[in-house]
Amino acid sequence: QSALTQPPSASGSPGQSVTISCTGTSSDVGAYGYVSWYQQHPDKAPKLMIFDVTKRPSGVPDRFSGSKSGNTASLTVSGLQAEDEADYYCSSYAGSNNPVVFGGGTKLTVL
Amino acid sequence: QVQLQQSGPGLVKPSETLSLTCVVSGSSITSGYYWGWIRQPPGKGLEWIGSVSGSSGSTYYNPSLKSRVSISLDTSKKQFSLKLTSVTAADTALYYCARGGYTYVYGSWGQGTLVTVSS
Repeated sequence: QSALTQPPSASGSPGQSVTISCTGTSSDVGAYGYVSWYQQHPDKAPKLMIFDVTKRPSGVPDRFSGSKSGNTASLTVSGLQAEDEADYYCSSYAGSNNPVVFGGGTKLTVL
Repeated sequence: QVQLQQSGPGLVKPSETLSLTCVVSGSSITSGYYWGWIRQPPGKGLEWIGSVSGSSGSTYYNPSLKSRVSISLDTSKKQFSLKLTSVTAADTALYYCARGGYTYVYGSWGQGTLVTVSS
């Protein structure tokens, strides 16, 4: 069982927006501004899409955005494209005793 | 552009030690980065194993694996390594090495090594 809770699936049509949630606790997501999101295509290594809740690494389209409210973080993908179809994982800093916790992943389908 | 090249056996016997190495190119290994290991059981999600600080050599481990895990840095060879002792079938996974600006976020990943624990 993963420390962070994500919906197993999400979907949207091309051009639409979809939001994926990531629910933790007051010891991880709620305590720190250090939530990251990774995209993973089949048989590929994960790719960092968002870090520190809202920041995008260089090269990540601005269609990807992150936010957080309380113990829940969210990843929003706007203007869905076929290439966005992938698994998405959230992670959070959870303190010095257990620095990194991941969500179980969400499979995003572009209809 | 940093590149991480993983190596190590793809098959390990139960109760033995899993050993993987990640060679770093295109980046200083002693700078302020963190060098980590993350694994993914077949068809499942990601699990952080641990990391080592390139600047201090300090290590950080997943509490659930801490008693069996060791991560080390070899600055002369520009590589870092993972050792996981007393493996069982539950340790069968795709193991990734990665570089992070902090221990909790990883921007560059290796290609992954599938390690199967079986006799």
